[in-house]
Amino acid sequence: SAVISQKPSRDICQRGTSLTIQCQVDSQVTMMFWYRQQPGQSLTLIATANQGSEATYESGFVIDKFPISRPNLTFSTLTVSNMSPEDSSIYLCSVARYGYTFGSGTRLTVV
Amino acid sequence: AQKVTQAQTEISVVEKEDVTLDCVYETRDTTYYLFWYKQPPSGELVFLIRRNSFDEQNEISGRYSWNFQKSTSSFNFTITASQVVDSAVYFCALSEAGTSGSRLTFGEGTQLTVNP
Repeated sequence: SAVISQKPSRDICQRGTSLTIQCQVDSQVTMMFWYRQQPGQSLTLIATANQGSEATYESGFVIDKFPISRPNLTFSTLTVSNMSPEDSSIYLCSVARYGYTFGSGTRLTVV
Repeated sequence: AQKVTQAQTEISVVEKEDVTLDCVYETRDTTYYLFWYKQPPSGELVFLIRRNSFDEQNEISGRYSWNFQKSTSSFNFTITASQVVDSAVYFCALSEAGTSGSRLTFGEGTQLTVNP
């Protein structure tokens, strides 16, 4: 299975600022997925990122709030823009390998 | 649309007890994959098992076993002789098969607490 390095592991941010989360995969993958897990809840897909094209966003998520880059087949970033306390969550990236490997997650707290 | 239901929000057991976590799914696809993940307090998601829709054989891995029944759309997970280290949130998930762009649909998760 793939190995994913996700950074940062956690951050505390001021409201109104932005945070960029990075995921680096040890092998080339076609699709990368970004999930959000709000406190005490399940994982919700934010968007699917395909190299060389615009990410596909799920209902309730918009590009202006969660811009995604996918410059190559091993790397992607998710930016959480203009943050509010409601954005406090764990954000995880994932790739579609045998077991859908996940990054270790970014625990974001917005104050 | 796909849906995964984990009716048990929280389960608490005493160490060495057996515990079964239930998972019921809905999908219109004839080919799909089912998964179980463990999420310890540290937050990372640990892959436990993948099962495709054509393989209804039960799976056993150490103290873990899985019972997949298409007739009832269930994919239950049993931990035998539970240990304190098994305490975590467990998620059941479903994806379409055949493409690399298939997203995972997660259940709400079951918080398992194993008390010494």
